[in-house]
Amino acid sequence: QKEVEQNSGPLSVPEGAIASLNCTYSDRVSQSFFWYRQYSGKSPELIMSIYSNGDKEDGRFTAQLNKASQYVSLLIRDSQPSDSATYLCAVMRGGNNRKLIWGLGTSLAVNP
Amino acid sequence: ETGVTQTPRHLVMGMTNKKSLKCEQHLGHNAMYWYKQSAKKPLELMFVYNFKEQTENNSVPSRFSPECPNSSHLFLHLHTLQPEDSALYLCASSQEETDTGELFFGEGSRLTVL
Repeated sequence: QKEVEQNSGPLSVPEGAIASLNCTYSDRVSQSFFWYRQYSGKSPELIMSIYSNGDKEDGRFTAQLNKASQYVSLLIRDSQPSDSATYLCAVMRGGNNRKLIWGLGTSLAVNP
Repeated sequence: ETGVTQTPRHLVMGMTNKKSLKCEQHLGHNAMYWYKQSAKKPLELMFVYNFKEQTENNSVPSRFSPECPNSSHLFLHLHTLQPEDSALYLCASSQEETDTGELFFGEGSRLTVL
C-alpha cells in the first residue's frame, strides 16, 4: 500500500463544474497536508496547505481534511480550462520520522 | 517566476561525462532541496540542505554529488550516470527545513543520459 494514494485519472469535467480530487494517506500521525499543481512541462506549485480538520477555502479552491478517515481532498469550483493540470497531494509524516511524502498525482482535464 | 532559478533547463550527456546542475534562490530561504521526478513515480527527495549543512541524503548513489556553498546556491554534480538516471531534476527551497511542506520549486533541469 502506498503511503499517499491518489487516483491517477484523468479526471475530466466540463467547464464551470466542480472538480473533486481525493487523496488518502496511511500514516495516522501525519500533521500537515499540501496540494500542488503541476502544468505539463512545468514544476509543481503550491496551491493549498491544510493543517486541521475541516475546510479551508481560498478563492475557487477548497481543501478538506478528515484525519479520522485519513483523507484530504481538493475541490475546484467553477472549473476553468486553465485548471487542467496534474494535482499532487503531499503529506508530512509526523513523529520522529518527519518526511514529506508525495502522491503520484491526479490528472485533471477541464473541457470547454 | 518562483524565485528559484535552475540551469541548464535541458541537458544531454553520455555515461562517461561529468556535468553539473545549478540552482539559485532569491527568496531568502534557508533550506534547499534536490528532487528527482520520473514518469509513473512520486517525487523522490534526494538531498536536503539547511543553513548550508546537509541534513538528508536519501541513499542516493555516489554518482550524484551535491554541493551547497551558501544558503542561496545549490549544485548537483553528475558523473558516470546511467540511462535510468534520465529524469527531471527539481530544485526547491523553503523558509527552513521545519516547514518542508511549503516548497518553492525551480523550473527543473531535464536530464537525458545516453
